[in-house]
Amino acid sequence: AQSVSQHNHHVILSEAASLELGCNYSYGGTVNLFWYVQYPGQHLQLLLKYFSGDPLVKGIKGFEAEFIKSKFSFNLRKPSVQWSDTAEYFCAVKGSNNDMRFGAGTRLTVKP
Amino acid sequence: GAVVSQHPSWVICKSGTSVKIECRSLDFQATTMFWYRQFPKQSLMLMATSNEGSKATYEQGVEKDKFLINHASLTLSTLTVTSAHPEDSSFYICSAPRQGPTDTQYFGPGTRLTVL
Repeated sequence: AQSVSQHNHHVILSEAASLELGCNYSYGGTVNLFWYVQYPGQHLQLLLKYFSGDPLVKGIKGFEAEFIKSKFSFNLRKPSVQWSDTAEYFCAVKGSNNDMRFGAGTRLTVKP
Repeated sequence: GAVVSQHPSWVICKSGTSVKIECRSLDFQATTMFWYRQFPKQSLMLMATSNEGSKATYEQGVEKDKFLINHASLTLSTLTVTSAHPEDSSFYICSAPRQGPTDTQYFGPGTRLTVL
């Protein structure tokens, strides 16, 4: 079954630092991968998704992710974080039943 | 854009009572909806898949008699937590996939349940 794992539980950065959050998926076949963000007290928002095609996916708010099949990875990146990026970030893969399988999440704290 | 709503946004109930949570797709029809549970500082865990016109399918370890799901129409699914206990306190989130080329899934804002 499809699953994803996130190894960074809590990341603390200063403003303007670069960000990379790790996500690894387990399934070797066709995968649909997602990154969601959950700001404090708010619901999940889709940052970006990968279905096929260009492995470098650009999302909202300056985020991007690169699908590397050989590494089973789909890491999230942002060149320069802002204080407003403080949130919980979830990597997810679409299951065979069209449901979503989430990673444990990474809490990002950006210090002003 | 597509929107999924949930009602109520938060509820506090006494132990032993039942609570119903509604999930609605506001501008598209959803033959399938999903119910997730999120404990504090943890990830979302799929509880069950709600299917319009048929029985819900539950994930392993989720009690179907405790978490009753009814997919009454193509825009409404309800989750009823029966005989709630404090350990059922959690954040319940529904989602609905919009079928089509983009196959995007939309999440509701969640319902925070606190059982006293």
